[in-house]
Amino acid sequence: DAGVTQSPTHLIKTRGQHVTLRCSPISGHKSVSWYQQVLGQGPQFIFQYYEKEERGRGNFPDRFSARQFPNYSSELNVNALLLGDSALYLCASTKTPGHLTGELFFGEGSRLTVL
Amino acid sequence: TQLLEQSPQFLSIQEGENLTVYCNSSSVFSSLQWYRQEPGEGPVLLVTVVTGGEVKKLKRLTFQFGDARKDSSLHITAAQPGDTGLYLCAGGGQTGANNLFFGTGTRLTVIP
Repeated sequence: DAGVTQSPTHLIKTRGQHVTLRCSPISGHKSVSWYQQVLGQGPQFIFQYYEKEERGRGNFPDRFSARQFPNYSSELNVNALLLGDSALYLCASTKTPGHLTGELFFGEGSRLTVL
Repeated sequence: TQLLEQSPQFLSIQEGENLTVYCNSSSVFSSLQWYRQEPGEGPVLLVTVVTGGEVKKLKRLTFQFGDARKDSSLHITAAQPGDTGLYLCAGGGQTGANNLFFGTGTRLTVIP
């Protein structure tokens, strides 16, 4: 079975541009979360979606937005890119949100470099 | 903001040595997970602890959750080069969501 897949794996943008990152969860998983991992730090929570509804939002500016599609795949959009947005963007899927012992399955990430 | 501080930040040891990584917070967590992340990959779950004082063993790895559910430790016995990676603790956030609060990470290098 395929794991969580993300695209693109690497991309380079310039300040002010926008970017769209894509994620396909594991088959049967209905919840997708997005995390930002800056070099040398742990991942930081951005969004969680379940059944196409936003279930959680981290402390990120409105330039960050996301959505989930009927097939449970998800997009993360970032507008007006800043240098500080350079990071590894991780997508994680799980069957349902909120379970104390639920495991998040992470993709390999999309590495964004903003010049 | 719920912060998880890990120590040490970097650790380089010889194969066969033992080590302990610590994860501390001033906040109480409903659960705590440990992940390992290798270069170019996403984090992979190692263990979840839920009950204060809980101890879980996974082969050479021993995980402990503090009695007050604010801290945790990971002990590795007889480290091997395959243990090399970034170890992350993550605290469970609000119920109904999976917004994990990740620690700062401990980068472990085991030298053959």
